[in-house]
Amino acid sequence: RKEVEQDPGPFNVPEGATVAFNCTYSNSASQSFFWYRQDCRKEPKLLMSVYSSGNEDGRFTAQLNRASQYISLLIRDSKLSDSATYLCVSINDYKLSFGAGTTVTVRA
Amino acid sequence: EAGVAQSPRYKIIEKRQSVAFWCNPISGHATLYWYQQILGQGPKLLIQFQNNGVVDDSQLPKDRFSAERLKGVDSTLKIQPAKLEDSAVYLCASSLDGTGPGNTIYFGEGSWLTVV
Repeated sequence: RKEVEQDPGPFNVPEGATVAFNCTYSNSASQSFFWYRQDCRKEPKLLMSVYSSGNEDGRFTAQLNRASQYISLLIRDSKLSDSATYLCVSINDYKLSFGAGTTVTVRA
Repeated sequence: EAGVAQSPRYKIIEKRQSVAFWCNPISGHATLYWYQQILGQGPKLLIQFQNNGVVDDSQLPKDRFSAERLKGVDSTLKIQPAKLEDSAVYLCASSLDGTGPGNTIYFGEGSWLTVV
């Protein structure tokens, strides 16, 4: 079983909509998590860190559910520029495990 | 602040040839990572250095891949001989000091390898 699993999508949403998707992790010892954003043919860039129950940064909200071992990312008021692949990352000790990513496409 | 620098950006080689990628991390970053990202997949760690020592190389195919970071600054990743399945983006990343809270990992733009 993969350490981190994500719904690949794509999630196609209109501008202004809210979109949410989950990431499940298999290692209950994972201490913290990240969401990275990766644009087509570009490198991953950190979107937000999740160390406790959750984190909010503007239109983006991440929530961590340790009991069910998943992290969610919610994007409010979607912009065209939010179109990207969102990579979920878990950390156990020093080791990062990446999911395969969830693709979001925001249409005008 | 300068980011993680990688070269070459693109490389096409025939199978069984060799290739080398270079990475210069952000100044002062002790931890350096090499990831392999195959199209449609998430990045997979190949090797992690802390200064010039190897922290984790458990997923590095050591029969054909090698990496070094001799002076604890820049690093090279070599593939010899290359196979078709090595076609991927090779991402170098660095962080100030590992993966603890507050240690953001920054990625370079990647070196795109096509093996034909």
